[in-house]
Amino acid sequence: KAGVTQTPRYLIKTRGQQVTLSCSPISGHRSVSWYQQTPGQGLQFLFEYFSETQRNKGNFPGRFSGRQFSNSRSEMNVSTLELGDSALYLCASSLEDSRNQPQHFGDGTRLSIL
Amino acid sequence: DAKTTQPTSMDCAEGRAANLPCNHSTISGNEYVYWYRQIHSQGPQYIIHGLKNNETNEMASLIITEDRKSSTLILPHATLRDTAVYYCIVIGTSYDKVIFGPGTSLSVIP
Repeated sequence: KAGVTQTPRYLIKTRGQQVTLSCSPISGHRSVSWYQQTPGQGLQFLFEYFSETQRNKGNFPGRFSGRQFSNSRSEMNVSTLELGDSALYLCASSLEDSRNQPQHFGDGTRLSIL
Repeated sequence: DAKTTQPTSMDCAEGRAANLPCNHSTISGNEYVYWYRQIHSQGPQYIIHGLKNNETNEMASLIITEDRKSSTLILPHATLRDTAVYYCIVIGTSYDKVIFGPGTSLSVIP
């Protein structure tokens, strides 16, 4: 069974630009979450989607947004990029939105802002 | 959700059992204990989770104390490929309250 696939793996952008990251969950998984990982802050929750609806949102500015499609694939968008947005962005999927269902992570998109 | 406390680093001899402790003294009754590990440049890998009872799967065992204030992840026969950062987290009602701490950096030594 294929795991969570994130594209692209690496991305370089400049300040002020916007970026869209893509996530394909494990087949059959309907819940998708996004996380930001930096050396200073560790892993931080961005948002969670289930059946195309945002269920939870972390403490990030409105420049960070996401969506989920009917096939459960998800995208996240960051607008007006800042140097501090340089990070590893991780997507995780789970079968349902039950907390008794483990999340399975992709290998992330490493975003570098110049 | 409860915050967890783990040792910063641990060493384990190859072939021996690795016992990784986690303190979650403020855990609530409906919160699960989850363990993940992360090898450099990869995403976190799910290991095991539990609510009250001890759990075992093909990767590891999870021992949760009766008062649920702490738990131990056991890798029965550590190999070099088990060298990673291990995260213990508590998940309750929603992921926005989950706190990933710095985890425990486990080094398996030949």
